[in-house]
Amino acid sequence: KAGVTQTPRYLIKTRGQQVTLSCSPISGHRSVSWYQQTPGQGLQFLFEYFSETQRNKGNFPGRFSGRQFSNSRSEMNVSTLELGDSALYLCASSLAPTAEQYFGPGTRLTVT
Amino acid sequence: GIQVEQSPPDLILQEGANSTLRCNFSDSVNNLQWFHQNPWGQLINLFYIPSGTKQNGRLSATTVATERYSLLYISSSQTTDSGVYFCAALNYGGSQGNLIFGKGTKLSVKP
Repeated sequence: KAGVTQTPRYLIKTRGQQVTLSCSPISGHRSVSWYQQTPGQGLQFLFEYFSETQRNKGNFPGRFSGRQFSNSRSEMNVSTLELGDSALYLCASSLAPTAEQYFGPGTRLTVT
Repeated sequence: GIQVEQSPPDLILQEGANSTLRCNFSDSVNNLQWFHQNPWGQLINLFYIPSGTKQNGRLSATTVATERYSLLYISSSQTTDSGVYFCAALNYGGSQGNLIFGKGTKLSVKP
């Protein structure tokens, strides 16, 4: 069974631009979560989706948004990029919200 | 919300030595996972262990849910065990339904 995939793997953007990251969960998994990892703040929760519904959102500004499609694939969008948005963005999928989560390889975003 | 603390923050070992990493959490949990982050950033699943004991080769883990801690044991360490180990806990209910990560233990195994 294929693992969680994330595209793109690397991205360089300029301040003020927007970016969309994509996550395809393991087949059969309906729960998708997003996390941001930075050296200063560690791993922080962004969003959780289950069956196309956002069930939980972390403490991030409204510039961060996401969605989940009927095939469980998920996207997250960051508008008006800031330098501080430079981070590794990780997506995880699971069968259900409390089940074991499996992570993708991440998207490394650099904002210049 | 739930708090997760890991210790020690850094650990240096000689190849062949054993080690114990600790994870304390502040509330009851529905999910407790241990991960190893590889040099490219991917989180590799080690254990899903909200309670009890599990073993996988040279690694084993124990979670004592009633005392709110989990331990990860690494025996006969190898240089390939180097990296950052994360503990993450989830308490599904109230305002949180997501994994809360500790700050990690950075393990360096010297040849």
